[in-house]
Amino acid sequence: DIVMTQSPGSLAVSLGERATVNCKSSQSVLYSSNNKNYLAWYQQKPGQPPKLLIYWASTRESGVPDRFSGSGSGTDFALTISSLQAEDVALYYCQQYYDTPPTFGQGTKVEIK
Amino acid sequence: QVQLQESGPGLVKPSETLSLTCTVSGGSIDSYYWNWIRQPPGKGLEWIGYIYYSGITNYNPSLKSRVTISMDTSKNQFSLKLSSVTAADTAVYYCARSGYVTPLDYWGQGTLVTVSS
Repeated sequence: DIVMTQSPGSLAVSLGERATVNCKSSQSVLYSSNNKNYLAWYQQKPGQPPKLLIYWASTRESGVPDRFSGSGSGTDFALTISSLQAEDVALYYCQQYYDTPPTFGQGTKVEIK
Repeated sequence: QVQLQESGPGLVKPSETLSLTCTVSGGSIDSYYWNWIRQPPGKGLEWIGYIYYSGITNYNPSLKSRVTISMDTSKNQFSLKLSSVTAADTAVYYCARSGYVTPLDYWGQGTLVTVSS
């Protein structure tokens, strides 16, 4: 299985400041034939299911605010919230769908400082 | 807007079979891949498996010997059976939709299943 490792486990950021969550895969999730990274980011708030934010590493899902952005390629990825809002407090997970079984990172908790 | 809703017993005894159903509304179950994912309390997400509308299935090797996913297209439903459960199977179980080698774009609200005598 591809192991997804997120860092940090938690971070506290002031309102309006930038938050960055990192994700590293144990092998590349870049498919060379189409140059796509099979990497997604989800947001999960307490008592709710995960919500898809980003796919193909950097494509925002419809309706997701543009303060959320994804970057990276190969094995190293990042989710950035450019200006943290109170409603962004949540757990964030990365997921690879390059290989089966699809696997998730362990999650990063984003809080307000 | 596609909606998914899980249903089934919230309590299962050890060694018995966990059975859940996911009802899809707002869209046809034809096409797409229909997945089950679970999340133990306070822990991360584990993909269990999927079924394609043609009946093709794919399971997580870690659970493959105990998992069966089936589909009833006439009812727009798909189901999960997990046999020989233990306390380690206690989790919130989610159903979700994906495409072929794409992420999970629609999720149910999840249902907590506790394994306990």
